[in-house]
Amino acid sequence: NAGVMQNPRHLVRRRGQEARLRCSPMKGHSHVYWYRQLPEEGLKFMVYLQKENIIDESGMPKERFSAEFPKEGPSILRIQQVVRGDSAAYFCASSPGTVGYGYTFGSGTRLTVV
Amino acid sequence: AQRVTQPEKLLSVFKGAPVELKCNYSYSGSPELFWYVQYSRQRLQLLLRHISRESIKGFTADLNKGETSFHLKKPFAQEEDSAMYYCALSGLGSGGSNYKLTFGKGTLLTVNP
Repeated sequence: NAGVMQNPRHLVRRRGQEARLRCSPMKGHSHVYWYRQLPEEGLKFMVYLQKENIIDESGMPKERFSAEFPKEGPSILRIQQVVRGDSAAYFCASSPGTVGYGYTFGSGTRLTVV
Repeated sequence: AQRVTQPEKLLSVFKGAPVELKCNYSYSGSPELFWYVQYSRQRLQLLLRHISRESIKGFTADLNKGETSFHLKKPFAQEEDSAMYYCALSGLGSGGSNYKLTFGKGTLLTVNP
């Protein structure tokens, strides 16, 4: 089992471009979560998805950010018109069900906006 | 609101010394608490969860509801314990179950030879 796979590992975008971050959950996991870590900060919840459904997006900025988890394929976190403040590490995690089991995290995507 | 505080950003001990990484939380309900560890250049890994009351790699953590703490302890630190440690609380999200993790800012533990 390859674990939670995130790609790319590093992503550099110019201001105004779009960033697409991909996450493939562990086999058998149908719950996906995205977290963002700004410099010197802890991880902050962004969004929780199940297949084809957004369950909770309360941590997502209201504009420019969107997430999906289609029936087939990886979960995608999309950031349109990136700004310098979007530079952060973005972590995806998955779980088989309730969080009592704890998440399994991916290695993260480090986004740098220049 | 749920909050996790790790008061020490950095902690440095010598090999063989006891280590305690502090974690305090604020949550109105019944929390589930976790410790995650991130070794250099590796992904965040679950170290402990309070409901299982287990010991992993010699680490233990006891939930103290009176003091709202979940400190991580190890009696004899090893060099390979050097890593970033995050305390996290699982609280109720708007989706109706305890899926949302709130993390502390982390403590960087360095174990010196």
